Amino acid sequence: KAGVTQTPRYLIKTRGQQVTLSCSPISGHRSVSWYQQTPGQGLQFLFEYFSETQRNKGNFPGRFSGRQFSNSRSEMNVSTLELGDSALYLCASSLDTGGETQYFGPGTRLLVL
Amino acid sequence: AQSVTQLDSHVSVSEGTPVLLRCNYSSSYSPSLFWYVQHPNKGLQLLLKYTSAATLVKGINGFEAEFKKSETSFHLTKPSAHMSDAAEYFCVVRGLTGGGNKLTFGTGTQLKVEL
Repeated sequence: KAGVTQTPRYLIKTRGQQVTLSCSPISGHRSVSWYQQTPGQGLQFLFEYFSETQRNKGNFPGRFSGRQFSNSRSEMNVSTLELGDSALYLCASSLDTGGETQYFGPGTRLLVL
Repeated sequence: AQSVTQLDSHVSVSEGTPVLLRCNYSSSYSPSLFWYVQHPNKGLQLLLKYTSAATLVKGINGFEAEFKKSETSFHLTKPSAHMSDAAEYFCVVRGLTGGGNKLTFGTGTQLKVEL
């Protein structure tokens, strides 16, 4: 089975722009979670989607949003980018939302200039 | 709320010697605990997980961890380190509030393996 894929792998944007990141889960997995990794804050949970519905949300401003499609693929969007949004964004998929093991993709590295 | 504390930010060992990465947890419930590893410029790979079955959990690449409720610890060990084990290791607890798959990560332990 193919693993979790994320596109693009690298991205450079400028302040004020918006960005959309994509995540394709492992085939058959219905839950997709997003995490932000920075040197200062470490790994932090952004949100989880299951069956096209947001199940959980972390402590991030409303500029961070996401969605999930009927094929379980997910996108996250960050509007009005700030320098502090520079990070590695990781997507994880699991079979279900009931505590199943999460499998991570390679991440999208976003640099905001 | 659940949380984990990784007691060492950096650990250095010689190849062939044992590895010990320490993790303490805090949880109001019987927690689900994990160890993930991250190699440079790579995503996270699951090493092992504890979900209230056996307290000694065996994972991939010779790693294992023991859940000790009395000490609220979940330390990761390996009998003999290999150069390829050099990476960052994260102790993780799964949140139960509201259900779902929210993971709370420790701050990470950077493992260095020297010849």
